Amino acid sequence: AQTVTQSQPEMSVQEAETVTLSCTYDTSESNYYLFWYKQPPSRQMILVIRQEAYKQQNATENRFSVNFQKAAKSFSLKISDSQLGDTAMYFCAFMKLWGGGADGLTFGKGTHLIIQP
Amino acid sequence: ETGVTQSPTHLIKTRGQQVTLRCSSQSGHNTVSWYQQALGQGPQFIFQYYREEENGRGNFPPRFSGLQFPNYSSELNVNALELDDSALYLCASGKDLNTGELFFGEGSRLTVL
Repeated sequence: AQTVTQSQPEMSVQEAETVTLSCTYDTSESNYYLFWYKQPPSRQMILVIRQEAYKQQNATENRFSVNFQKAAKSFSLKISDSQLGDTAMYFCAFMKLWGGGADGLTFGKGTHLIIQP
Repeated sequence: ETGVTQSPTHLIKTRGQQVTLRCSSQSGHNTVSWYQQALGQGPQFIFQYYREEENGRGNFPPRFSGLQFPNYSSELNVNALELDDSALYLCASGKDLNTGELFFGEGSRLTVL
């Protein structure tokens, strides 16, 4: 079974600063995806960024980038030029791939990110 | 806007009752999965369906069951409700199992008294 650990329950930074959220995972699988999801107070889970395990290059999406260290099983999210709208719960998640299918997502407990004006 | 809608948004039940939660996915989405999110926790995988057949299940008892219909809608049924079933229930849909791209609804908040 896979586990996902987010060791920072809450983080607070000033608007326009850069912040890094940590995530580690444990798996014996070699084929998987890793994700960061954002859940604002509206409750809807929104995909921030996705990383395929077979890709060495770190994924980026505008102000969001990841540092994927496969050997260390680490998957951190960096948010640059943070904005008030980035305030939300952030969840790291793991998806095992097999044949033509995949298991359901395994989530961490989340990090509550607060962007201060 | 993900195109995934869930109903009802909130509901209250008493212990021992049964509940049905509904999800409407985007057209063309062949997979739907359900998650339980307790307060202050990350979501936990209940099960997923692919083309109307169950295709994976998390660590939940059989009183949690589901259905997926040809019209891209689905249901989560929970029998014999317990107090610990109080949670936000999230539905997520995608085109296929291994695309790694899931679209979530806003969830149904269930309170069991």
